[in-house]
Amino acid sequence: SQQGEEDPQALSIQEGENATMNCSYKTSINNLQWYRQNSGRGLVHLILIRSNEREKHSGRLRVTLDTSKKSSSLLITASRAADTASYFCATDHTDKLIFGTGTRLQVFP
Amino acid sequence: NAGVTQTPKFQVLKTGQSMTLQCAQDMNHNSMYWYRQDPGMGLRLIYYSASEGTTDKGEVPNGYNVSRLNKREFSLRLESAAPSQTSVYFCASSEALGGRQPQHFGDGTRLSIL
Repeated sequence: SQQGEEDPQALSIQEGENATMNCSYKTSINNLQWYRQNSGRGLVHLILIRSNEREKHSGRLRVTLDTSKKSSSLLITASRAADTASYFCATDHTDKLIFGTGTRLQVFP
Repeated sequence: NAGVTQTPKFQVLKTGQSMTLQCAQDMNHNSMYWYRQDPGMGLRLIYYSASEGTTDKGEVPNGYNVSRLNKREFSLRLESAAPSQTSVYFCASSEALGGRQPQHFGDGTRLSIL
């Protein structure tokens, strides 16, 4: 099945640094979403970007989408310890979301 | 704001036992979903309900059944549990089916089958 794959699988940075996570997918999409999952909790929706959009911002989050390369990136600027979580991309193709395997982000104080 | 509530939070079963995982949402959403999350495999869709009165299979439906009891509640049943069903199960809801709708998740049920 179509699935987004995040890269890297794990990322460790210091507070204040930027974190960039990438997502690649296999077939054409209408929308791509990013979610965050804190340890032991459910996923929380962060941002949605449509296939006709190239970039979207929400607070410290910046998402880009390159449909020609079938890839998206999530940038978290000025990271904080509270940003420590797993981040997942999710793509849609037939009205359902397909989730990637996630990037584990660790932000050290 | 309760959002999506799942019960129980933890459960240990023996092989062959049955159980039902409960999920309720208070956001008046039409669509509801059941996923399982296994290490290194992301979330996989088990079953979903586009609207009250309808249910459909997802990617990994074998060994599971669902009931959309009403607009608020969507339950997942394991008729004869197997060790391969050890996982974390998440229920989610959205206003409607489709990738334009963000999904809202519960905090999961951690299920171990011995």
